[in-house]
Amino acid sequence: DADVTQTPRNRITKTGKRIMLECSQTKGHDRMYWYRQDPGLGLRLIYYSFDVKDINKGEISDGYSVSRQAQAKFSLSLESAIPNQTALYFCATSAHDRGGTDTQYFGPGTRLTVL
Amino acid sequence: TQLLEQSPQFLSIQEGENLTVYCNSSSVFSSLQWYRQEPGEGPVLLVTVVTGGEVKKLKRLTFQFGDARKDSSLHITAAQTGDTGLYLCAGDVSSNTGKLIFGQGTTLQVKP
Repeated sequence: DADVTQTPRNRITKTGKRIMLECSQTKGHDRMYWYRQDPGLGLRLIYYSFDVKDINKGEISDGYSVSRQAQAKFSLSLESAIPNQTALYFCATSAHDRGGTDTQYFGPGTRLTVL
Repeated sequence: TQLLEQSPQFLSIQEGENLTVYCNSSSVFSSLQWYRQEPGEGPVLLVTVVTGGEVKKLKRLTFQFGDARKDSSLHITAAQTGDTGLYLCAGDVSSNTGKLIFGQGTTLQVKP
């Protein structure tokens, strides 16, 4: 079974709809992240959470919100989807490594299309 | 805004050729990571470089971190079709914040 799962894998929705993307992990990691990927722009950080009570905005948080329901679950919501939120969304997890740089483990991605 | 510029953005070569991908910034990074991503999957970590001037080898892949810790390169020797994919560099701005800055990515196509 995959360590980091994302649901749904694909979603087509209309402008103005509320959308929730879910992420679950079985790696036991304390840190979780949401990124979006657009062609030619790499991965950009939307939100990150270092534990259940710690939620932080990334570089492109406008139009998004998150909920860390448990250590293993981190969901991303688009309250009112707009077409420029069409992208590939990735969830990632990492364990806090005091001695160095965290290795981030990515889910398979959710392809979201907003019409 | 801290940026990581990757070049080239797209590379198409024949099997057996060598190639180098560059990752440059005006910012200093405490470490730099290289990830590889295949279609329909998330990125997977290849290597982390931490020390300025560090060179790491992973089979036919050689990774180098610049002396000033502002740039890095990935060199692939004798590319194979299995090397096809998107290569991403990512920098850790300050030690172990968990926040990474990603480059735009280099799409590599290796033709048989």
